[in-house]
Amino acid sequence: GAGVSQSPSNKVTEKGKDVELRCDPISGHTALYWYRQSLGQGLEFLIYFQGNSAPDKSGLPSDRFSAERTGGSVSTLTIQRTQQEDSAVYLCASSEEGVSWGGEKLFFGSGTQLSVL
Amino acid sequence: AQTVTQSQPEMSVQEAETVTLSCTYDTSENNYYLFWYKQPPSRQMILVIRQEAYKQQNATENRFSVNFQKAAKSFSLKISDSQLGDTAMYFCALKDTDKLIFGTGTRLQVFP
Repeated sequence: GAGVSQSPSNKVTEKGKDVELRCDPISGHTALYWYRQSLGQGLEFLIYFQGNSAPDKSGLPSDRFSAERTGGSVSTLTIQRTQQEDSAVYLCASSEEGVSWGGEKLFFGSGTQLSVL
Repeated sequence: AQTVTQSQPEMSVQEAETVTLSCTYDTSENNYYLFWYKQPPSRQMILVIRQEAYKQQNATENRFSVNFQKAAKSFSLKISDSQLGDTAMYFCALKDTDKLIFGTGTRLQVFP
C-alpha cells in the first residue's frame, strides 16, 4: 500500500477482554514503532522493532501488553485483560532506517481508537 | 536516557503573525536528530522539519524554521505568517542511537 495501514480504526471492548491491533507498515521499511496517545496527551513510546534485532520493549506498561512483527512486516499489538486505563489511540509508524542513519522520516498510520468500557 | 520536554501545553496566535514553540531535550550522544511533527485534528502525524545535530545551520522549510542551540539543548520551532491550517498539536522528537521519543506536545490555535 501507499502508506501505513492500521486496523481496526475504532475498537470498543469490555473490560477484561483481549484485543489485537494490527499495523501494516510501508513495504521495505525496516523500523516499526508503536505509540500510545491518551486523550489530549503526548505520544508514549511502547515498542520498537528494527530489522532482525531484538525489539525494544522498554515502553510496554505492563505484561498485559505484547507485540509481534512477523516476517519483518506486519505487526500486531495485543492487550490482554483490558482495563479502562488502556483506552487511548494506538499509533503505529514505520521508517526506512539505515538509509540516512537516525534522520529518517517516520510515516504514521491513522491509529486505532481503543475504548474499554 | 533520552528526554524531550515541551513546557507550553497550549499556544495561540493570530493569522499572519509569528509564533515560537519551545522544546528542550537531553541526550548523552553527540550526534542525533531532532524533529517537529504536526498532528492536525485528523490525527495523521506529519513531519514538519528535521535537524541534524552536527549541522550548525538551522533548518528551514518554507514558513517553518528552527532555532537549534546545541549547547543549551534547545530546539524551538518558529512558524511565520501563521495560517488557519497550522492549527494542530505540535510534537518535538529526538532520535539518537536509541529509539525516537516525543515530547508531550503543544496545542497551537491560529485565530482569524
